[in-house]
Amino acid sequence: GAVVSQHPSWVICKSGTSVKIECRSLDFQATTMFWYRQFPKQSLMLMATSNEGSKATYEQGVEKDKFLINHASLTLSTLTVTSAHPEDSSFYICSAEPGQGARTQYFGPGTRLTVT
Amino acid sequence: DAKTTQPPSMDCAEGRAANLPCNHSTISGNEYVYWYRQIHSQGPQYIIHGLKNNETNEMASLIITEDRKSSTLILPHATLRDTAVYYCIVRNTGFQKLVFGTGTRLLVSP
Repeated sequence: GAVVSQHPSWVICKSGTSVKIECRSLDFQATTMFWYRQFPKQSLMLMATSNEGSKATYEQGVEKDKFLINHASLTLSTLTVTSAHPEDSSFYICSAEPGQGARTQYFGPGTRLTVT
Repeated sequence: DAKTTQPPSMDCAEGRAANLPCNHSTISGNEYVYWYRQIHSQGPQYIIHGLKNNETNEMASLIITEDRKSSTLILPHATLRDTAVYYCIVRNTGFQKLVFGTGTRLLVSP
């Protein structure tokens, strides 16, 4: 299957700072990537859909000014958590779908964010 | 909201078949059934998907009822490494978001 990577795999930051998480499709191009968040013992919740060359589409309740998404190329999307607070501590996971005809999303390994 | 219903947990003995059920009674004609699993602290792993016909790959088999209102994921010879949360998801076309429910926590024991 296709491979999606994330960097970093874990990060600890201080309250009030910003953190950038990268999501890369390693062996395919992805016009669309997705960002999810998962709190302990809960299921994945979609945060936003990232479209290459255009603005991201955010799910209801997700602050677009706090969670900045940039999809600058067909293999890279970034999620920046701005002015992070302890309640932003979570497991952030991205996914991507290979080009036309493919109907399968592949997920990255996730990034564990801890805000102190 | 998730369109599927799964039992919260199941147990299976190592080496035996694990049969994970999923109800999707409101599935529409152009919606596929997808299965993913998530091992603790990892991203979800794609397992299999299907539309109408039964499907098999190196990981599992997917059995879809004729009316498409339910399906079963079969792991033919479960191993300890198959312990994970298994998610059954319905989705209509490509590039659409996946809506995760609570899934089934499968525990494979020696």
